[in-house]
Amino acid sequence: AQKVTQAQTEISVVEKEDVTLDCVYETRDTTYYLFWYKQPPSGELVFLIRRNSFDEQNEISGRYSWNFQKSTSSFNFTITASQVVDSAVYFCALSFLDAGGTSYGKLTFGQGTILTVHP
Amino acid sequence: AAGVIQSPRHLIKEKRETATLKCYPIPRHDTVYWYQQGPGQDPQFLISFYEKMQSDKGSIPDRFSAQQFSDYHSELNMSSLELGDSALYFCASEPQNSYEQYFGPGTRLTVT
Repeated sequence: AQKVTQAQTEISVVEKEDVTLDCVYETRDTTYYLFWYKQPPSGELVFLIRRNSFDEQNEISGRYSWNFQKSTSSFNFTITASQVVDSAVYFCALSFLDAGGTSYGKLTFGQGTILTVHP
Repeated sequence: AAGVIQSPRHLIKEKRETATLKCYPIPRHDTVYWYQQGPGQDPQFLISFYEKMQSDKGSIPDRFSAQQFSDYHSELNMSSLELGDSALYFCASEPQNSYEQYFGPGTRLTVT
């Protein structure tokens, strides 16, 4: 079974601080995908990144960066120089492929981390 | 760019009533997923369809049913509504072999 754990329930920072959101996952599958989604107060789920299990390269997109460590089953997300508009709930999620290559694309989400950035 | 459309955006029903939620995927996306997000919870997978056939099923109550139509839109039918069904219901669509789901804005269902 798949499981995603986001141990940080809530994080509060002041604008311009860097913040890292942790994500640890469990899966017995060798091929899987990891995601981060942002859910602002308006409620929609905004896709941020997808990473497959064979690609451990870190990625940077503007102020966002992601660190994928397969050895520790972690996929952490860092926001550099946080801004008030970054305030949201952030979800880490996992999906997998079975041995036949069929995509069971349903997402298993972590519990979410509420990030509040104060001015 | 076209996005996933969900209707209605808000719905208020009484206990024991029925509700139908609709989802219109992005054109040429062949897979649709439904998720339920209770207050303060993470989204939970309900059911998915690939090419109009049910492809996977999660913790969907027997009171709920869903289908995908020939034009690829999907409907989630909920009967004998309970207070605990109050939630945000998301639909997501996915192009073939992309493993990347695009979420709609959600339908907020309130059962009173």
